Amino acid sequence: KNQVEQSPQSLIILEGKNCTLQCNYTVSPFSNLRWYKQDTGRGPVSLTIMTFSENTKSNGRYTATLDADTKQSSLHITASQLSDSASYICVVRPGPLEGGGNKLTFGTGTQLKVEL
Amino acid sequence: DADVTQTPRNRITKTGKRIMLECSQTKGHDRMYWYRQDPGLGLRLIYYSFDVKDINKGEISDGYSVSRQAQAKFSLSLESAIPNQTALYFCATSDFTPGQFSETQYFGPGTRLLVL
Repeated sequence: KNQVEQSPQSLIILEGKNCTLQCNYTVSPFSNLRWYKQDTGRGPVSLTIMTFSENTKSNGRYTATLDADTKQSSLHITASQLSDSASYICVVRPGPLEGGGNKLTFGTGTQLKVEL
Repeated sequence: DADVTQTPRNRITKTGKRIMLECSQTKGHDRMYWYRQDPGLGLRLIYYSFDVKDINKGEISDGYSVSRQAQAKFSLSLESAIPNQTALYFCATSDFTPGQFSETQYFGPGTRLLVL
C-alpha cells in the first residue's frame, strides 16, 4: 500500500530560526511530490512541486529537496516568521499510468509553531 | 482560496439526520473532489468527478453520496449521519490538462462537521 510518512509530527521554533521537515514515501512508480501549507481553519495551499527528475525547488523562504532513489523529501524553511505557523503536508502522486488527481497519497502533516 | 467556496463552514447535526455540504468554484475546472480530514490521518478521498456527468467513488465512499449539478457545483450528502463522520471536509478542484501530470488541486476553506 502506498504510504507517505512525515516527521516530526510537531515542531516549535523561535522566530528567525530555520527548520527542516521530512517526508518519506513508498509510492512507486512515482510521478511528482508536492508540499502544501495548511493554515488553521483553511484549506491546503500548494507550496512546491517536484517531478522525479528534480532535486530541489524553491518558493521564497521555502526550499524543497527530493531524493527519488531513497524516496525522501525535505522542506526547509529559512528565517521563520510567525505566519509560517501551520501544518505542512507532503503529497505524492503515482506514476502517469497509475491515475491522476484521484490517486494522491497525503501525509499526516507536520504541525509547525513559530514563537517569539 | 476564495475561488473555491464551501457552505456551511460549520455544522452540528444529530445521528440519523441527512445533511448536505455544498461546494462552488469559479475556476472553471472540470475536476472536483471531496476529502475528509481527521486528526492524525492524511486527507482521504471520498468522491471525485472529472466532468458534469462523471461520478466516482474514492477510498472511503460508504455512507456518502454526491451530486455534480453543474461544472461549478459539487455537493456531498450524508444520508444518515453517524458520529464517526465527525470530521473536517474539504472540496477541491484541479487544473488538469491532458498530457500534463502536474495538476494542482485548489482546496476550499473546509466544513467542520460534528455529528452528535
